[in-house]
Amino acid sequence: QQQVKQSPQSLIVQKGGISIINCAYENTAFDYFPWYQQFPGKGPALLIAIRPDVSEKKEGRFTISFNKSAKQFSLHIMDSQPGDSATYFCAASNKAAGNKLTFGGGTRVLVKP
Amino acid sequence: DSGVTQTPKHLITATGQRVTLRCSPRSGDLSVYWYQQSLDQGLQFLIQYYNGEERAKGNILERFSAQQFPDLHSELNLSSLELGDSALYFCASSVGAGSGTDTQYFGPGTRLTVL
Repeated sequence: QQQVKQSPQSLIVQKGGISIINCAYENTAFDYFPWYQQFPGKGPALLIAIRPDVSEKKEGRFTISFNKSAKQFSLHIMDSQPGDSATYFCAASNKAAGNKLTFGGGTRVLVKP
Repeated sequence: DSGVTQTPKHLITATGQRVTLRCSPRSGDLSVYWYQQSLDQGLQFLIQYYNGEERAKGNILERFSAQQFPDLHSELNLSSLELGDSALYFCASSVGAGSGTDTQYFGPGTRLTVL
């Protein structure tokens, strides 16, 4: 059972453009939603995270939008740069079940110069 | 550099064999998590240890086992290896047992190839 669905699988955006990645979850007990960035040959690294009591969180060029009623959240990368080319994973966890992360399938983002 | 170290970086072995993957968490972190990343299954949680005790279990096969030692390093043991076990295995660590917002820091991974 895939509890977190992520789309699109891949994305090509021009330098300076906006990258948008969407995730939907099924388990309403999830209460923490981080996004991870992974470069080839590296482990995932936390990019930004949100709790469901907040509808939006912005850190620099990265923004999470959260819609609790629709059970959806998204990552927006503004002014995309070639250095942002990586695979992005959304994830979710439930405090009551410990800290284990349930990941989406990943989105490979390519930013063209 | 996340501060989480994993050895070895690469491991090539044959079907039916047993291997041990090692992880050292960040200084001060008490929780260690193991994840498997494969092309068909994506990133999947295997198991979590907190201060030496098993804390949570995910989709970990019975052929796999793990432990966390008193110095907090962890080992993931994979036995009776099958071709399908070929994957990247990541270790992550966090400060606490799971407050729900504990950031997990991932190591560089061990790439296991089963021939």
